[in-house]
Amino acid sequence: DAGITQSPRHKVTETGTPVTLRCHQTENHRYMYWYRQDPGHGLRLIHYSYGVKDTDKGEVSDGYSVSRSKTEDFLLTLESATSSQTSVYFCAIGVGEGSPLHFGNGTRLTVT
Amino acid sequence: KNQVEQSPQSLIILEGKNCTLQCNYTVSPFSNLRWYKQDTGRGPVSLTIMTFSENTKSNGRYTATLDADTKQSSLHITASQLSDSASYICVVSHTNAGKSTFGDGTTLTVKP
Repeated sequence: DAGITQSPRHKVTETGTPVTLRCHQTENHRYMYWYRQDPGHGLRLIHYSYGVKDTDKGEVSDGYSVSRSKTEDFLLTLESATSSQTSVYFCAIGVGEGSPLHFGNGTRLTVT
Repeated sequence: KNQVEQSPQSLIILEGKNCTLQCNYTVSPFSNLRWYKQDTGRGPVSLTIMTFSENTKSNGRYTATLDADTKQSSLHITASQLSDSASYICVVSHTNAGKSTFGDGTTLTVKP
């Protein structure tokens, strides 16, 4: 497996609480992505980063923020979790040709 | 709106048989098209990537084709194995490096 680790793998949290998901890579790839995957929808891009401190929004960015202070780490924060944010979140890394090369194994988040 | 549509939604075949999955897209301008395999509970794994000028790409028993004029791609699996049971996702990337559109996937079940 490519060197990409997501933590935690599973999390249950209550509505209104902040949540941070972490993605760590050892491949030194420039691009990092956060997606969510829900039944009936393809993977949808939340945010992505094209370098340290360089980030941009995806198609479903409302309610989420990201930070990338080091090449290897990309954090996704749900500022105030809602039930609609119950999903499986995938981090991915790539070299910038448009689609990710490698995905992590996901974080299953449940907001009660 | 940029779209990627995959068919069929699900498919059941017997071990050893061949199958073909379809992907139609409206993404423009087009950068590349990638097929992924996603096992249950895991992140997607890239199988093939094709640029505008390529019309076929193989990876073992997987062969992807691309017709950029009709905006269609297919993934052909030869001599299927039980381990081919997974979701297969077609992803089309825009010329903007951060943006890709994911299809909803085809769920393939290979039975003994």
